[in-house]
Amino acid sequence: DARVTQTPRHKVTEMGQEVTMRCQPILGHNTVFWYRQTMMQGLELLAYFRNRAPLDDSGMPKDRFSAEMPDATLATLKIQPSEPRDSAVYFCASEGQGARVSEAFFGQGTRLTVV
Amino acid sequence: DQQVKQNSPSLSVQEGRISILNCDYTNSMFDYFLWYKKYPAEGPTFLISISSIKDKNEDGRFTVFLNKSAKHLSLHIVPSQPGDSAVYFCAASDGSNYQLIWGAGTKLIIKP
Repeated sequence: DARVTQTPRHKVTEMGQEVTMRCQPILGHNTVFWYRQTMMQGLELLAYFRNRAPLDDSGMPKDRFSAEMPDATLATLKIQPSEPRDSAVYFCASEGQGARVSEAFFGQGTRLTVV
Repeated sequence: DQQVKQNSPSLSVQEGRISILNCDYTNSMFDYFLWYKKYPAEGPTFLISISSIKDKNEDGRFTVFLNKSAKHLSLHIVPSQPGDSAVYFCAASDGSNYQLIWGAGTKLIIKP
């Protein structure tokens, strides 16, 4: 059963601390997205990668957020330093190649609380 | 500026009746639309999509209608079942890249 795996599922941290969220995309998928969902808004695209190369990270606050794909099986989203306004659910999604726009498969999300 | 709008934050429907979820968009370049369903504590899952060359796509109990002139699409679920209770997101793409623009979601509650 292929699925996108995100860790941790929940994270509570103090303001100013570094937070790293990890994502294992579905094997063979070459496009990876990071989204954020807050109470007031729908899904907000933070960054996405194709074949491990970052194609768009304009949705991320550059001063504190960074996204990487060290290899094809791991994507990371890091926040340093974290702030209370970063509290949200962060989703990773992956998509296979072929169709121009295909349906992305989402992980279960990491619920981040910054106190 | 929200390019994809779901104006109803929630919708309550009796079991067995039809559920109609609406979505409006502003960008005339959008040519592919998707609906995702999301249960609490889970990620969204793909439900159904439609290309702008069509005005209707059907998959079992789910039908999506697209009205390009009105820049409006709707998702019909009939008959509605308790398991359909979830948040439904509308998303759109203009094909220039693989980005999807998402609506804020509509919470559907199916009453027994």
